[in-house]
Amino acid sequence: GEDVEQSLFLSVREGDSSVINCTYTDSSSTYLYWYKQEPGAGLQLLTYIFSNMDMKQDQRLTVLLNKKDKHLSLRIADTQTGDSAIYFCAENERGGADGLTFGKGTHLIIQP
Amino acid sequence: DSGVTQTPKHLITATGQRVTLRCSPRSGDLSVYWYQQSLDQGLQFLIQYYNGEERAKGNILERFSAQQFPDLHSELNLSSLELGDSALYFCASSVTANTGELFFGEGSRLTVL
Repeated sequence: GEDVEQSLFLSVREGDSSVINCTYTDSSSTYLYWYKQEPGAGLQLLTYIFSNMDMKQDQRLTVLLNKKDKHLSLRIADTQTGDSAIYFCAENERGGADGLTFGKGTHLIIQP
Repeated sequence: DSGVTQTPKHLITATGQRVTLRCSPRSGDLSVYWYQQSLDQGLQFLIQYYNGEERAKGNILERFSAQQFPDLHSELNLSSLELGDSALYFCASSVTANTGELFFGEGSRLTVL
């Protein structure tokens, strides 16, 4: 199976909260990451969480980590049209020795 | 602007040909990564260099090779191209070798006809 799994699409109404989920396999990952890719652009690091943390908040973004279930989520409060993008979850397997392993990305679609 | 520059932005070539993709990392970054993005496979890690030396190898085909030069820019060489090599190739850079804080270029879109 895949190392990092995400749903391919999420549709939310403007102003609502978006919750993007991810499951990963490598329990030795030290950090877990969320990257954002806007149309025609490269990936941009949004936020990350250290594996001994449960939660991290950064303005409209909240990251939750359930290490027992190897589940990571990204919550975007008050979703705006500018949040429309593909969101990638990533883990650094083997402490980053083999580069980051990315999920296939979740397309966030904002409905007016 | 991430500070990572990739050229060319678009490339169209025929099967069997060879192409070279170029990447200039952010100023001060010693590590360069290459990723391949396709619809079916998603983002696949190809290879990483750190300060001129190969550091990690992922799902890179034998037909592909890369190197990092003394000025830290990197090139990815793709040879004997096949239709399935059509993809977006990203370069990323980072300050250190063991970090997930990567800065990505805008990618080189390769189309093999």
